Amino acid sequence: QQQVKQSPQSLIVQKGGISIINCAYENTAFDYFPWYQQFPGKGPALLIAIRPDVSEKKEGRFTISFNKSAKQFSLHIMDSQPGDSATYFCAATYTGTASKLTFGTGTRLQVTL
Amino acid sequence: EAQVTQNPRYLITVTGKKLTVTCSQNMNHEYMSWYRQDPGLGLRQIYYSMNVEVTDKGDVPEGYKVSRKEKRNFPLILESPSPNQTSLYFCASRGLAGENEQFFGPGTRLTVL
Repeated sequence: QQQVKQSPQSLIVQKGGISIINCAYENTAFDYFPWYQQFPGKGPALLIAIRPDVSEKKEGRFTISFNKSAKQFSLHIMDSQPGDSATYFCAATYTGTASKLTFGTGTRLQVTL
Repeated sequence: EAQVTQNPRYLITVTGKKLTVTCSQNMNHEYMSWYRQDPGLGLRQIYYSMNVEVTDKGDVPEGYKVSRKEKRNFPLILESPSPNQTSLYFCASRGLAGENEQFFGPGTRLTVL
């Protein structure tokens, strides 16, 4: 049973464009929603995270939009750059567990010149 | 430098030959976890540990063992590896305080023939 569904599986965006990756969750107890970025040959690294008390969080070119009623959240990468080419994972967890993150299946982003 | 290290980074073995993948963190984190990453499935938690001598099963624990005798180390043991355990493995850690950010190691690519 997959509790966090992520789409698309892969994405090709031109340099300067907007990349959008979507995730949907089922467990309403989740209260922390991070996005991880993974480059080839590396482990995932935290990119940005949000809690459900806000609808949007922005850090530089990266923005998380959160829709609690729809149980959806998305990552927007503005002015996408070739250096953003990586695999992106959304995840969810809830405070009080032993740091168990439930991950989406990942989106491979390629930003072309 | 704060980091999670794993060894070996690459391993090819044969069915049934016991192996251990080591994981060590220098951030004095209480929580440590093991994940496996498979195409189309994202990252799935194998085992986690809340502290020394405290371990528990994640989502896919079958065929794996762990131990936590020291705070910094969390080895993953495959007593009788099988080909379906061919995967990319990540160790991760986090502290008790602050956000739920997990820090991941560089990964171990295991092939079981």
